[in-house]
Amino acid sequence: NAGVTQTPKFQVLKTGQSMTLQCAQDMNHNSMYWYRQDPGMGLRLIYYSASEGTTDKGEVPNGYNVSRLNKREFSLRLESAAPSQTSVYFCASRAQGRSNSPLHFGNGTRLTVT
Amino acid sequence: DQQVKQNSPSLSVQEGRISILNCDYTNSMFDYFLWYKKYPAEGPTFLISISSIKDKNEDGRFTVFLNKSAKHLSLHIVPSQPGDSAVYFCAASRDNDMRFGAGTRLTVKP
Repeated sequence: NAGVTQTPKFQVLKTGQSMTLQCAQDMNHNSMYWYRQDPGMGLRLIYYSASEGTTDKGEVPNGYNVSRLNKREFSLRLESAAPSQTSVYFCASRAQGRSNSPLHFGNGTRLTVT
Repeated sequence: DQQVKQNSPSLSVQEGRISILNCDYTNSMFDYFLWYKKYPAEGPTFLISISSIKDKNEDGRFTVFLNKSAKHLSLHIVPSQPGDSAVYFCAASRDNDMRFGAGTRLTVKP
């Protein structure tokens, strides 16, 4: 039972390059999320998908796009990477977008933009 | 605006003693509060939660206390064990909005 799987684990980009972070869950969860973690800032929500076919902005969506490809997969795209996007990115899922439903996280993608 | 704050970046306790981690929030619309634990190179894992209509929830060595009037919650770990050494994140939730604090690094010394 893999849970939430993120690829790649590490990535280095030059400013202006693009890339897509992949996320897949095998728990049949409806809701999926992308967070970024920065020192002293905790985890901040970038985008989420409450259910297949829907996506919504979180706290810090600028510079990112997402695609909910199907129920299992939720990708995050950086069209033109900037040094400010250097961070650790976590994908998460939960059964329902309800307050008492805990998030299940992947192990993260560490991205460096030079 | 940080709606969830953990003002102590780090905490060190002796094995067997109590660890108390604190968290404050600003938005009274949150209706559920959660604690997550994170080891290096792993994602956060859910630890314990509490509804806004309760003031205490206990699960083994872990107890979460909620003071709604003060907009404050705390996580008590008794007794603390070296394996509890990790970063602890407090989170506040309403529907799809889950906000996290900056985390507190707990070190339990043998």
